[in-house]
Amino acid sequence: DTGVSQNPRHKITKRGQNVTFRCDPISEHNRLYWYRQTLGQGPEFLTYFQNEAQLEKSRLLSDRFSAERPKGSFSTLEIQRTEQGDSAMYLCASSFGPNRGKGQNTEAFFGQGTRLTVV
Amino acid sequence: AQSVAQPEDQVNVAEGNPLTVKCTYSVSGNPYLFWYVQYPNRGLQFLLKYITGDNLVKGSYGFEAEFNKSQTSFHLKKPSALVSDSALYFCAASYSSASKIIFGSGTRLSIRP
Repeated sequence: DTGVSQNPRHKITKRGQNVTFRCDPISEHNRLYWYRQTLGQGPEFLTYFQNEAQLEKSRLLSDRFSAERPKGSFSTLEIQRTEQGDSAMYLCASSFGPNRGKGQNTEAFFGQGTRLTVV
Repeated sequence: AQSVAQPEDQVNVAEGNPLTVKCTYSVSGNPYLFWYVQYPNRGLQFLLKYITGDNLVKGSYGFEAEFNKSQTSFHLKKPSALVSDSALYFCAASYSSASKIIFGSGTRLSIRP
């Protein structure tokens, strides 16, 4: 399977614990996005990378959230001191960046997501 | 601020009838526009995109969308709806090939037999 892969698929954690999610993008893609989605709502932008560089982080994002993409391949999203309000589906997506896709192949392809439940 | 609006939370259509799911955008410059579909317990699937060129773009599963610059709209359409089209549809936009993609709140499409 050459699609976007996310692990784990489900995570239940106690409030106050730290959690880390992993995303493996499509191998040719140099851009990687993280989104959060709650039931029946649209994906909310969290952050994105071009290769290993983090280009933008949502201003709505708490300092408890951090993301890395150290080698420009897979990425991790960590949430520290989880709260019940963090319960959501965390989506990862990847795409060609402007240099690779020349503006024509910029659609993002999504993984199945990681469902986080904070109890 | 850049934004995408989907004014209808739900659209109900009888099978065989044409369907339209509305989307308007507020994105500076020449927008890149996308439609995605989400089935229950599934990830988002890309349907189609507008980058430049012909205002009517065709995508997967018989869907098409019309870009209207003057109305800043990108409505999703299909000539004849199927029950299997029932799903959650998201419109998305970016203001350049180098910028992030932002999503609308979604429209639930329900096709009755």
